[in-house]
Amino acid sequence: RKEVEQDPGPFNVPEGATVAFNCTYSNSASQSFFWYRQDCRKEPKLLMSVYSSGNEDGRFTAQLNRASQYISLLIRDSKLSDSATYLCVSNSGYALNFGKGTSLLVTP
Amino acid sequence: NAGVTQTPKFRVLKTGQSMTLLCAQDMNHEYMYWYRQDPGMGLRLIHYSVGEGTTAKGEVPDGYNVSRLKKQNFLLGLESAAPSQTSVYFCASREDSPQPQHFGDGTRLSIL
Repeated sequence: RKEVEQDPGPFNVPEGATVAFNCTYSNSASQSFFWYRQDCRKEPKLLMSVYSSGNEDGRFTAQLNRASQYISLLIRDSKLSDSATYLCVSNSGYALNFGKGTSLLVTP
Repeated sequence: NAGVTQTPKFRVLKTGQSMTLLCAQDMNHEYMYWYRQDPGMGLRLIHYSVGEGTTAKGEVPDGYNVSRLKKQNFLLGLESAAPSQTSVYFCASREDSPQPQHFGDGTRLSIL
């Protein structure tokens, strides 16, 4: 079983919609979590860091539930430019554990 | 502000050839990583380093070697390239745990 599990999607949503992704992790000792965005054939880019219960940055909100060992990412007022793959990441030592990603397609 | 720089960006090799991928970071980060990414597989860790002169195996280390002689550089070597090593390779670095990683823009490697 992978350390981090994500629904691969794809999630197809219209512009302006709110969409949420969930991610589960298996190591209860994980100290911090991240959401990365990856565009096709490009490098992953950091979207948000989560060190405590959650974080918010504009239209993006991440929440951490340690009891249930999941992290969520909420995107409000979706834009066409939000179309990408979103990677959930946990940190429990020297290396980060990446999920395989959730694909989002925002349509006009 | 270069961040993490990978060279080369693209390369085509023949089976059995050798090559070295270079990763350089200018952020004085302690930790550096090499990943490969294949369709449907996600990012897989090949090797990593937690400081100058140190290296450790990741999830898929076979067929690769690494060196970290200088803090800013992390080299990934393929001694005898195989078609199964055709992939996109990403280097990343971070200051320490629990900080996030910063990625280079990748090396696209094809082995014929």
